[in-house]
Amino acid sequence: EVQLVESGGGLVQPGGSLRLSCASSGFTFSSYAMNWVRQAPGKGLEWVSAVSGNGDRTFYADSVKGRFTISRDNSKNTLYLQLNSLRADDTALYYCAKAGPRSYGELDYWGQGTLVTVSS
Amino acid sequence: QSVLTQPPSASGTPGQRVTISCSGSRSNIGSNTVNWYQQLPGTAPKLLIYSNNQRPSGVPDRFSGSKSGTSASLAISGLQSEDEADYYCSAWDDSLNGRVFGGGTKLTVL
Repeated sequence: EVQLVESGGGLVQPGGSLRLSCASSGFTFSSYAMNWVRQAPGKGLEWVSAVSGNGDRTFYADSVKGRFTISRDNSKNTLYLQLNSLRADDTALYYCAKAGPRSYGELDYWGQGTLVTVSS
Repeated sequence: QSVLTQPPSASGTPGQRVTISCSGSRSNIGSNTVNWYQQLPGTAPKLLIYSNNQRPSGVPDRFSGSKSGTSASLAISGLQSEDEADYYCSAWDDSLNGRVFGGGTKLTVL
């Protein structure tokens, strides 16, 4: 059974940093691209970032480019998102999502999310 | 403003058929496959339709997807109360080099 468990969220001041983690199990982690998708309170889904299976390719939404960094440790089956220079509009529930066989296709499994709140 | 355009709301009565549209452009829907996600209240999104019209195992055949040109649609037949949820379309965008979502459609079962 595929499981994705996010952690690392919390309350942070504007300009601060956080590191999110997503522990994965139930599939061959290194074979699949992984994504972060966020959802602000009461709003829709917003794709944040993606990383290829071996970590050599990364992709970012314009809204986070230069501030967030995605990475993965295939030896630990864990996905990361480093969040720097946080702003109030980064407040959201951050979901980790596994891509299907087509890296640019569907997101077939999602975690339950970790909440990031940016406020002074 | 979302790259993919969906109606903010839709509704129907039990047993009815409803459709939700998703409009994009040549760089996203026009070039790549469309996926649909269902988000029940208070839960994480779940993959509902992939590759335009494929259902993952466990998704009832009441749900179907289609795509034509730069638009796609999700159809739900035999509407049930448990279908009340938010529905999102998504595709890869070759110009943005990233994934894009529609703004979401809130489906109400009357």
